[in-house]
Amino acid sequence: GAVVSQHPSWVICKSGTSVKIECRSLDFQATTMFWYRQFPKQSLMLMATSNEGSKATYEQGVEKDKFLINHASLTLSTLTVTSAHPEDSSFYICSARTGTGGEETQYFGPGTRLLVL
Amino acid sequence: AQSVTQPDIHITVSEGASLELRCNYSYGATPYLFWYVQSPGQGLQLLLKYFSGDTLVQGIKGFEAEFKRSQSSFNLRKPSVHWSDAAEYVCAVGAIDTGNQFYFGTGTSLTVIP
Repeated sequence: GAVVSQHPSWVICKSGTSVKIECRSLDFQATTMFWYRQFPKQSLMLMATSNEGSKATYEQGVEKDKFLINHASLTLSTLTVTSAHPEDSSFYICSARTGTGGEETQYFGPGTRLLVL
Repeated sequence: AQSVTQPDIHITVSEGASLELRCNYSYGATPYLFWYVQSPGQGLQLLLKYFSGDTLVQGIKGFEAEFKRSQSSFNLRKPSVHWSDAAEYVCAVGAIDTGNQFYFGTGTSLTVIP
């Protein structure tokens, strides 16, 4: 149980194009999903918190107009990198939170590696 | 401010040897504690978690961790390491007072030699 998928796993695109990454909770519903970015040899950096049916909450320094997040259902959140540039190349990981009574756990997707040429 | 420290960037052990990976945290209240394992180019897989109760928790793949409040630690252990355990291990703290936001350590890379 508690499986999270991401699609695509790899994407290569030209500078200036937009890329959409999907994050799905396969066997549970998640009112809250998270989007992280990870650079080599560094820890996960939280980009934004995605809540179903409402606007995402972005961390300081993350451009909300560049990283568009949509949490349209309890099992799907999408991250769109708009007008991608080489500096956006990174490993993007989503997670979905489940659990009740304060005992909440994040389950992570396998990640999406983005390379912008 | 909340923080998680994994003092060992890289550890090498022989197959069959015991393993202990250190994790220290800084947090004002009782934290929720997690260990994840990350294989190259993959997401994080949950190994075990601690919310309350017994301070020694058992996880998957033969791993266990012990919460020691006095030392602000949550070290991960395995009595006998297998070659397939080679991966990156990440400790995380869930902070109750900030909506259960997670704080991650920088990870410990484990190499297993035959």
